[in-house]
Amino acid sequence: DTAVSQTPKYLVTQMGNDKSIKCEQNLGHDTMYWYKQDSKKFLKIMFSYNNKELIINETVPNRFSPKSPDKAHLNLHINSLELGDSAVYFCASSQPSRGAEAFFGQGTRLTVV
Amino acid sequence: AQRVTQPEKLLSVFKGAPVELKCNYSYSGSPELFWYVQYSRQRLQLLLRHISRESIKGFTADLNKGETSFHLKKPFAQEEDSAMYYCALSGLRGGSNYKLTFGKGTLLTVNP
Repeated sequence: DTAVSQTPKYLVTQMGNDKSIKCEQNLGHDTMYWYKQDSKKFLKIMFSYNNKELIINETVPNRFSPKSPDKAHLNLHINSLELGDSAVYFCASSQPSRGAEAFFGQGTRLTVV
Repeated sequence: AQRVTQPEKLLSVFKGAPVELKCNYSYSGSPELFWYVQYSRQRLQLLLRHISRESIKGFTADLNKGETSFHLKKPFAQEEDSAMYYCALSGLRGGSNYKLTFGKGTLLTVNP
């Protein structure tokens, strides 16, 4: 049983396109996150949702729009993709009542050409 | 503001040698510290957290509040320890939500 799953695992697309990455967790956690890992392996938080409510939005361009239809899902939609968006995007979830330990998805490697 | 510093981007040791991955943090309150590991092309997974005070895969880490450090140590490195290691800090923000801030990571290579 995969706790946090993301689709797709790989995504190659052209500049200017719009794409979505989906994330689902079956851990019953209240909080979900999107992290971006750049080419230097630096991990940076992008968004955090708690029970479908946006909690953290870390200076991310408006082209990135997270959507949480329910607390088990947090999708990331990206408009007008740019070369600099190429990265690995990780979804994660945690249960605040049990501390900040986060469980990560396997990542989505996005390549913009 | 919360910040995590891992001064070494790369660390290379021989099998059987001791290894220490450094982590320093900056946080105004009482932080919760973690070490995450990412093996090649795999997801990040929690290695250990300071509040549990346990040893995982031979690794230990002690929180030193005076030096604001949380260094990761293992007395005898193994080849399978080769991976990217991230130190992370969380602080309570916005009610019940926690924000994990990661260091830039240290790539550990254990040579045979």
